[in-house]
Amino acid sequence: DAKTTQPPSMDCAEGRAANLPCNHSTISGNEYVYWYRQIHSQGPQYIIHGLKNNETNEMASLIITEDRKSSTLILPHATLRDTAVYYCIVRVQNSGGSNYKLTFGKGTLLTVNP
Amino acid sequence: DARVTQTPRHKVTEMGQEVTMRCQPILGHNTVFWYRQTMMQGLELLAYFRNRAPLDDSGMPKDRFSAEMPDATLATLKIQPSEPRDSAVYFCASGSRAASSYNEQFFGPGTRLTVL
Repeated sequence: DAKTTQPPSMDCAEGRAANLPCNHSTISGNEYVYWYRQIHSQGPQYIIHGLKNNETNEMASLIITEDRKSSTLILPHATLRDTAVYYCIVRVQNSGGSNYKLTFGKGTLLTVNP
Repeated sequence: DARVTQTPRHKVTEMGQEVTMRCQPILGHNTVFWYRQTMMQGLELLAYFRNRAPLDDSGMPKDRFSAEMPDATLATLKIQPSEPRDSAVYFCASGSRAASSYNEQFFGPGTRLTVL
């Protein structure tokens, strides 16, 4: 699986958009970008994933550059409860095969300030 | 609200003692993962099962760790004998092809283990 690079920490004001970057310059054509987050003292939580098109769900939006070498997770209106470590993971999507691994890096600690 | 449950939530034990952690995956999920999280190493995958069969346990120290799924509703992670370096938070996660093509893993709250 391709390696990812994220800033160790970021701050965001409550109510503003939080834009979390991730570099994955060695991503392969069949690898997806996944985002998970981990709120303090809880298990990680899936947020969103995508291949090359931008994706949006009720939690966030994922913007992937055309060359797929980087992506940005956007929390449109950050709240204090969004303070967490955000992990960007690149992995081949499961298709019934045996590779189900998620390899977590150090992630980005997002602190949402009042 | 379907959730992965783990017991115990906290465990303090002495070096050399056996530790057993339990996980109940979400009903209907057929893939179960065990992760360990420490400050130094972050989140590491120890082992995972599909349909109760171990698919990969290469991340697990074989001499003292063992993972099993006695049935579809219970996964166990055992450490015998435990050592201080095993102190960590152990997470269980489950997934399902029907639910998400195995792309989304649902994590439990974790078991915080302290070995003195």
